[in-house]
Amino acid sequence: KNQVEQSPQSLIILEGKNCTLQCNYTVSPFSNLRWYKQDTGRGPVSLTIMTFSENTKSNGRYTATLDADTKQSSLHITASQLSDSASYICVVTGLNAGNMLTFGGGTRLMVKP
Amino acid sequence: KAGVTQTPRYLIKTRGQQVTLSCSPISGHRSVSWYQQTPGQGLQFLFEYFSETQRNKGNFPGRFSGRQFSNSRSEMNVSTLELGDSALYLCASSLPRDRGTDTQYFGPGTRLTVL
Repeated sequence: KNQVEQSPQSLIILEGKNCTLQCNYTVSPFSNLRWYKQDTGRGPVSLTIMTFSENTKSNGRYTATLDADTKQSSLHITASQLSDSASYICVVTGLNAGNMLTFGGGTRLMVKP
Repeated sequence: KAGVTQTPRYLIKTRGQQVTLSCSPISGHRSVSWYQQTPGQGLQFLFEYFSETQRNKGNFPGRFSGRQFSNSRSEMNVSTLELGDSALYLCASSLPRDRGTDTQYFGPGTRLTVL
């Protein structure tokens, strides 16, 4: 069964600090991996998309890495801001079954002043 | 460019009723996907439409259905509502998919409460 596991489930950090969120997946064969940011009460917003041939992608203070061999991805947030407080969702697209998307449970990040 | 719009934003129904949710994609986008989000299950894929055809379908019962119109607007319908259908229903649009690498843009969602 295709699965996407994220850790930690929740995280509290101080403003200005860095943090790293993890995503492990079993989806195979694999097409691409996305990270989304979802503010409370809003729809997700795409941060990065990586195909199997890419191992890093940046979007401002967000940097995603991908190791397709170990089926692991991480999202690193640099110099966190209060506005980074949100849920971060890892989504993996498989090549079979019509490119189905499998979602992780998300990591809830809270940045405190 | 206007973003993805969903109507209504909030909806309260009772068990056994049916509901229709609407999604207008970003102009020029032809792919529309629907998702259900609940605290317990997280985000789950319902179905995807492209050029008025259902291209992919998630593991949801037949009570969940959808369609797409020639202007790419999409509707999803849930019949015989159950308490467990209470959720945030999100719609996302994207340009024609190439190996799924195009960015999906999500709407604000419709929050459905079933009493």
